[in-house]
Amino acid sequence: DTEVTQTPKHLVMGMTNKKSLKCEQHMGHRAMYWYKQKAKKPPELMFVYSYEKLSINESVPSRFSPECPNSSLLNLHLHALQPEDSALYLCASSQVRGRTEAFFGQGTRLTVV
Amino acid sequence: AQTVTQSQPEMSVQEAETVTLSCTYDTSESDYYLFWYKQPPSRQMILVIRQEAYKQQNATENRFSVNFQKAAKSFSLKISDSQLGDAAMYFCAYRSALAGANSKLTFGKGITLSVRP
Repeated sequence: DTEVTQTPKHLVMGMTNKKSLKCEQHMGHRAMYWYKQKAKKPPELMFVYSYEKLSINESVPSRFSPECPNSSLLNLHLHALQPEDSALYLCASSQVRGRTEAFFGQGTRLTVV
Repeated sequence: AQTVTQSQPEMSVQEAETVTLSCTYDTSESDYYLFWYKQPPSRQMILVIRQEAYKQQNATENRFSVNFQKAAKSFSLKISDSQLGDAAMYFCAYRSALAGANSKLTFGKGITLSVRP
């Protein structure tokens, strides 16, 4: 099973809303990632979790709050977003060492209105 | 810091023909990984092929193969017998082997490949 599952696939939220993006993998990977991707651009790293601990935060605004409840799940809590935060949000997972190629989910298309 | 350059924004290939996508990178490290990812309109980033820097042999996955030139820091992707389903955006990516998952995956800007029937 090489699948990373993200829900929801599409999300429209107002600037005062609170919502969460979810990501799940069952490949036994102990590293999980959130990326933000704008149209026709490469993904930009937001957060890295390694062994369920936040190891990298790429200076992401606090309106994005990640959470890793266990080794299979990764959440991204959203609050008071801006229209410029509209983007495709991709989750990925990998091994921590050795073969660290990242496997990506299908993403959540987020629109902030 | 490492950089990955994909200088061609778009390419087109006739179905059943062969196409080569170019990628160069810059690094001072000797141990690293290189990847090609495919992103079709369905949005999912799909790993196409992987190359370890310490391996001289070029990686091959079915119709996909790479030409890895370590001294020249070049990593091109060849797609043989192109199919309509190969139409997508392709990203070249670099990852240092030193810090495992904490090594940032550095992407090129990507190239949009179209396949003509």
